[in-house]
Amino acid sequence: EAGVVQSPRYKIIEKKQPVAFWCNPISGHNTLYWYRQNLGQGPELLIRYENEEAVDDSQLPKDRFSAERLKGVDSTLKIQPAELGDSAVYLCASSNVFEGSIRAFFGQGTRLTVV
Amino acid sequence: QQQVKQSPQSLIVQKGGISIINCAYENTAFDYFPWYQQFPGKGPALLIAIRPDVSEKKEGRFTISFNKSAKQFSLHIMDSQPGDSATYFCAEAYKLIFGSGTRLLVRP
Repeated sequence: EAGVVQSPRYKIIEKKQPVAFWCNPISGHNTLYWYRQNLGQGPELLIRYENEEAVDDSQLPKDRFSAERLKGVDSTLKIQPAELGDSAVYLCASSNVFEGSIRAFFGQGTRLTVV
Repeated sequence: QQQVKQSPQSLIVQKGGISIINCAYENTAFDYFPWYQQFPGKGPALLIAIRPDVSEKKEGRFTISFNKSAKQFSLHIMDSQPGDSATYFCAEAYKLIFGSGTRLLVRP
């Protein structure tokens, strides 16, 4: 079974430029998450999808961040324009329910550097 | 956003020792308590989890202890090995919100 696939692995951009991250979740997983992880900190939930619907985007900075999950499968996260403080690792995860409990699987992340 | 609080922030243990990481939660509606392990350059991976109807779960050298009255659960790593050096996160499994992490270093 293929895991969660993210691309690109690394991205360096200048501030004020746009950037997009792509995520392909594990087949059959209806729930998809985007996280931002700063160095030395825990993953911070940005948005959670159930199929195509964003059910929790309360922590997504909507002035510059946007996300979509077309057809309830792949997802993209966009930042426009990027700021220096957006430098972080962006993680995507998908989950299923196993024996009544949620199990989440993460991709390797995209390391964004804004210069 | 944080609904689980971890301690300590960092931990150094000698090889063969016991590593103990604690997590306190707020929402008594939680019904699943996982621990994730993250190595540098990788995403977190589910390590072990427990449901509140049991007080302890053991998988190999890893044990979760659950204290419902104190609203705490802890991870114990027995016979800690250098390969266990990683960052460990507890999480609230409904929205999958993570604690701040504990960086474990096991010295050879």
